[in-house]
Amino acid sequence: NAGVTQTPKFRVLKTGQSMTLLCAQDMNHEYMYWYRQDPGMGLRLIHYSVGEGTTAKGEVPDGYNVSRLKKQNFLLGLESAAPSQTSVYFCASSSAWGEGDTQYFGPGTRLTVL
Amino acid sequence: AQSVTQLGSHVSVSEGALVLLRCNYSSSVPPYLFWYVQYPNQGLQLLLKYTSAATLVKGINGFEAEFKKSETSFHLTKPSAHMSDAAEYFCAVSERGNLIFGKGTKLSVKP
Repeated sequence: NAGVTQTPKFRVLKTGQSMTLLCAQDMNHEYMYWYRQDPGMGLRLIHYSVGEGTTAKGEVPDGYNVSRLKKQNFLLGLESAAPSQTSVYFCASSSAWGEGDTQYFGPGTRLTVL
Repeated sequence: AQSVTQLGSHVSVSEGALVLLRCNYSSSVPPYLFWYVQYPNQGLQLLLKYTSAATLVKGINGFEAEFKKSETSFHLTKPSAHMSDAAEYFCAVSERGNLIFGKGTKLSVKP
């Protein structure tokens, strides 16, 4: 049981390049989330998904797109990377979308945009 | 919208000393509150959560937190710090199923 895994762990992009971050979970969780973490800012929600084929915007969605084609996977895409997207990206999942449900986090992807 | 304020971006304690990390929330409804810990270069791990069952919540690694509605606080404590407690700690409140995080408090433990 690997929990939540993220690929890749590190990536360096040039401005304007595109890339996709992959999140996978093996806990059969219905709900998945993408966050970004910046120094002194805590974690901010980018997009989330309440089930296969459904996604919704979070607090900071601009410049990102997501897809949830399979229940276990949640992809985060950057179509044209910008230096402001340099950050550490975390994926999380939860079994339900209730107020008290625990989110389980992956190890993160450190992205640098030059 | 709900929010979380963590007082002190850095806290330093000596090994064996009391750990106190402060968290205040704003919420118009009874909140669900969480503390997560992030060790260097790792993801976040749940320490404990408050879901209105009991005001004193015990978590992993000897941590606990007390929900005080009158003070809108959910401070995290540990009686005796260990070197392995050095990490960043995040308080969060649940809003419509999503988590709103504080900015984090980095805990340093001196030998």
